[in-house]
Amino acid sequence: AQRVTQPEKLLSVFKGAPVELKCNYSYSGSPELFWYVQYSRQRLQLLLRHISRESIKGFTADLNKGETSFHLKKPFAQEEDSAMYYCALRGTDKLIFGTGTRLQVFP
Amino acid sequence: KAGVTQTPRYLIKTRGQQVTLSCSPISGHRSVSWYQQTPGQGLQFLFEYFSETQRNKGNFPGRFSGRQFSNSRSEMNVSTLELGDSALYLCASSLSDYLGTDTQYFGPGTRLTVL
Repeated sequence: AQRVTQPEKLLSVFKGAPVELKCNYSYSGSPELFWYVQYSRQRLQLLLRHISRESIKGFTADLNKGETSFHLKKPFAQEEDSAMYYCALRGTDKLIFGTGTRLQVFP
Repeated sequence: KAGVTQTPRYLIKTRGQQVTLSCSPISGHRSVSWYQQTPGQGLQFLFEYFSETQRNKGNFPGRFSGRQFSNSRSEMNVSTLELGDSALYLCASSLSDYLGTDTQYFGPGTRLTVL
């Protein structure tokens, strides 16, 4: 089965604290994974993809095939990071999204 | 470039009616995908069109259908509306690439409420 699991619906941290948004996937082939973000009143947009191995807005995500995980991390959270974050897997014929994690960063 | 546009932005319908939603992709993008977003189910894939052909389809009943025109604009139709069809319908476009790594660019969505 092709599936993306984001176990946390809500993650609350204070500004400056480290953040880790969890994502686990189930896929038999070689996975392509993405993180999408939706800020308040804005469109869903791509944050980063594992194939690029890039850091965007201080966020990084490493694909761990052994643990089938693609957790999103940032060492020091900012208030502007508050948003809804979706992990997504490119399956055999579609993009499969997790249910999302809302990140709240308090001042 | 202008982003993905969707019309209308809001719709209120009653059970049993049908509805058509429209999506204009980014200029040059040939692939258009549709998603249903609800608080309970999150984002669920409806279907994808490329060069006027449906390439992929999600697990939705036949009441949900779509099409794509030669200018890549796409429409989605839902017939015999049910209360459970109330959702935000998102359209996303990308350059092309079946099973590729093209970035999907999302529109603002159409909020459909079924009474």
